[in-house]
Amino acid sequence: GAGVSQTPSNKVTEKGKYVELRCDPISGHTALYWYRQSLGQGPEFLIYFQGTGAADDSGLPNDRFFAVRPEGSVSTLKIQRTERGDSAVYLCASSMTATGELFFGEGSRLTVL
Amino acid sequence: GDSVTQMEGPVTLSEEAFLTINCTYTATGYPSLFWYVQYPGEGLQLLLKATKADDKGSNKGFEATYRKETTSFHLEKGSVQVSDSAVYFCALRWGAQKLVFGQGTRLTINP
Repeated sequence: GAGVSQTPSNKVTEKGKYVELRCDPISGHTALYWYRQSLGQGPEFLIYFQGTGAADDSGLPNDRFFAVRPEGSVSTLKIQRTERGDSAVYLCASSMTATGELFFGEGSRLTVL
Repeated sequence: GDSVTQMEGPVTLSEEAFLTINCTYTATGYPSLFWYVQYPGEGLQLLLKATKADDKGSNKGFEATYRKETTSFHLEKGSVQVSDSAVYFCALRWGAQKLVFGQGTRLTINP
């Protein structure tokens, strides 16, 4: 389809493991956002890319979280030494311009046992 | 910092009832305001928006008016349908910056 694609849709891992979550934005969209949504809460901002560079990473909770977008298209959110508190749905969104409407993917549900 | 507060859910109504979901915001100045909807099994999608004070956003029978006096952006619909059952999120945004979301309100419409 032409929407934002996120993989995997579900990921179960053990505490302490490394996890990668992938986001494939809508073709041509220059801006890409990662959010985290805990159960019963609204999405919380993690990081925003404009092109290849992180324009705002103020939402990353600590240095275990890292995200890249090396070619200005696909982005990967990387979580090291996962903790049970990292369990959440990780949402990706893209927009055509920096001020344009955000289009969200269906999310990647991460469960840390 | 900026924040958004929504009325707590869940909200359960009968079909054809009138809907109001309250949303207030805290911010310095006048950000753009949004309502997003998340239907079961789907991603968040924009429902409506307003970019300046006194603007009214509308879509699919839903409306919300940007009230700077009360710093509010309440969502209303005159006659809800079963298909409106979803989680609704109020949000604010400054230009190219991040969206700041409220905690969401789960709406269930019974036939």
